[in-house]
Amino acid sequence: NAGVTQTPKFRVLKTGQSMTLLCAQDMNHEYMYWYRQDPGMGLRLIHYSVGEGTTAKGEVPDGYNVSRLKKQNFLLGLESAAPSQTSVYFCASSSSGGAHEQFFGPGTRLTVL
Amino acid sequence: RKEVEQDPGPFNVPEGATVAFNCTYSNSASQSFFWYRQDCRKEPKLLMSVYSSGNEDGRFTAQLNRASQYISLLIRDSKLSDSATYLCVVNHEYGNKLVFGAGTILRVKS
Repeated sequence: NAGVTQTPKFRVLKTGQSMTLLCAQDMNHEYMYWYRQDPGMGLRLIHYSVGEGTTAKGEVPDGYNVSRLKKQNFLLGLESAAPSQTSVYFCASSSSGGAHEQFFGPGTRLTVL
Repeated sequence: RKEVEQDPGPFNVPEGATVAFNCTYSNSASQSFFWYRQDCRKEPKLLMSVYSSGNEDGRFTAQLNRASQYISLLIRDSKLSDSATYLCVVNHEYGNKLVFGAGTILRVKS
């Protein structure tokens, strides 16, 4: 039982490049979330999903897209990376909404030059 | 104003000390409250939920004051292993989302 996994762990991009971050969970959770964490800012919600085939915007969605084609996977895409997207990205999942524990992946450290 | 505010610290305390963290939240419609712990360069993990009646888990005690929109975490007999960032977390009024505070850094020294 791996819990929540994220791929890749580290990535360096040049401005304008694109990439996809993959999140996978094996807990059969309905809800999945993508956050970014910056110094002094705490975790900020980018996008989330309440079930397979659904997505919704969070607090800071601009510059990102997501897809939830399978229940266990939640993909975060950056179409044209910018230095402001340098951050640590965490994926999380939970069995239900805000009243339930969220389980986090180990994070992806992204640097955009 | 941030929806969840915490004193960033750091709190530097000796082993065995008692330390308390406070957190305030702005949305009176919030229903669920948590403390998460995050070790350096690791993911956040749930430490404990916070209930209206207050709750205790070993050396950790959490309190909620809805009238003042205030949450606290008390750690007794601090251990070196308690060194981490403690995140105050509140559910968003629409229920599906959590709002995280920026965290309070605790350093326990021998």
